[in-house]
Amino acid sequence: QKEVEQNSGPLSVPEGAIASLNCTYSDRVSQSFFWYRQYSGKSPELIMSIYSNGDKEDGRFTAQLNKASQYVSLLIRDSQPSDSATYLCAVNILTGGGNKLTFGTGTQLKVEL
Amino acid sequence: EAQVTQNPRYLITVTGKKLTVTCSQNMNHEYMSWYRQDPGLGLRQIYYSMNVEVTDKGDVPEGYKVSRKEKRNFPLILESPSPNQTSLYFCASSLSITGRGYTFGSGTRLTVV
Repeated sequence: QKEVEQNSGPLSVPEGAIASLNCTYSDRVSQSFFWYRQYSGKSPELIMSIYSNGDKEDGRFTAQLNKASQYVSLLIRDSQPSDSATYLCAVNILTGGGNKLTFGTGTQLKVEL
Repeated sequence: EAQVTQNPRYLITVTGKKLTVTCSQNMNHEYMSWYRQDPGLGLRQIYYSMNVEVTDKGDVPEGYKVSRKEKRNFPLILESPSPNQTSLYFCASSLSITGRGYTFGSGTRLTVV
């Protein structure tokens, strides 16, 4: 089982719809969770961080965390074509060598006009 | 401006010719890390450093070296590059290993022929 898993997509949504991106992780003691957005050929950019169970909202973005189910999600409301990108889930995983930020392989989002 | 600066942005080299990719951050971050990104494999950690003179292997360290003589700089060295090291490389820094404040450089696209 991969430490951080995401559906690679592409996930296609119409403009104005809600895009829902999901991520599961294997380490039950993980404490830090992040969502990054990456445009093609560019570097990842942090858009959300969440550390406790529940929802965290920032503008059109909402991160949801359920530690019991080892599940973190990102909702994008009123999706825009400029939201088309790959979204990376990152989880702080406790390994034999200490903490490590581990990335999923990303979900490609396409917002269609 | 707070940033992580990588150079060069693009590099084409021949097999076996030693090269160095530089990385510098101006945020006084203790934690720095190198990743490579390949299609379908996501971001994989090569090496990381928790402070000056403290470095450790990530998931894919073979064929790479790093050094951390100063807090701000964390160069990636390929002593004898091979074609399977053709990839997109990112340097990142953060306040701590837990991932808070993780900032990526602009990336270096390396092609080894």
